[in-house]
Amino acid sequence: EIVLTQSPGTLSLSPGERATLSCRASQSVSSSYLAWCQQKPGQAPRLLIYGASSRATGIPDRFSGSGSGTDFTLTISRLEPEDFAVYYCQQYSSSPYTFGQGTKLEIK
Amino acid sequence: QVQLVQSGAEVKRPGASVKVSCKASGYTLTRYPMHWLRQAPGQGLEWMGTINPSGGSTSYAQKFQGRVTMTRDTSTSTVYMELSSLRSEDTAVYYCARDKGWNYHYFDYWGQGTLVTVSS
Repeated sequence: EIVLTQSPGTLSLSPGERATLSCRASQSVSSSYLAWCQQKPGQAPRLLIYGASSRATGIPDRFSGSGSGTDFTLTISRLEPEDFAVYYCQQYSSSPYTFGQGTKLEIK
Repeated sequence: QVQLVQSGAEVKRPGASVKVSCKASGYTLTRYPMHWLRQAPGQGLEWMGTINPSGGSTSYAQKFQGRVTMTRDTSTSTVYMELSSLRSEDTAVYYCARDKGWNYHYFDYWGQGTLVTVSS
């Protein structure tokens, strides 16, 4: 089973700032089969990024993903108030499909 | 538009079973695999398994083998997840989520979630 470790656990930033979230895998994620999703309190997750760097339909271009192998990054270029949420990475390279423990992005 | 609407919250005793439904609309159920995931209170997301709504074949995470059953009813565009031998650790919000496509295994649409509480 591929274990995903996200850092930091909590990130405190202000609107307008840049956010950089990390996801590290315990073994290589083949073909960059890594996704990122966003979850707000009381809501279901929402797909942001798939294939490590492709934005899902309707996702603003301030969200970008990068990385390969075992190290992946989600960057939010300029934070909007609606971006403060929990972010999860997910690998779909091999079953079971696993998630990181999440990074909480909070308003500073 | 694609929608996945799940059944309502459940309270169950330890040892009981629960069956959660997920009704799909806005697309043809049989054209996309469906997955079930869960999220314990204050915790992260956990994948439970998937069903091919076309033929009914399933694949379950080893952790849930023997306790979970996923089925579908194509006439009503509904998929079901039944979890048996419930224990307190199964208290969680259960989600259905549509696969992006065949052999993708990431999730482009999610149901609203169903809270299952296991308590004596």
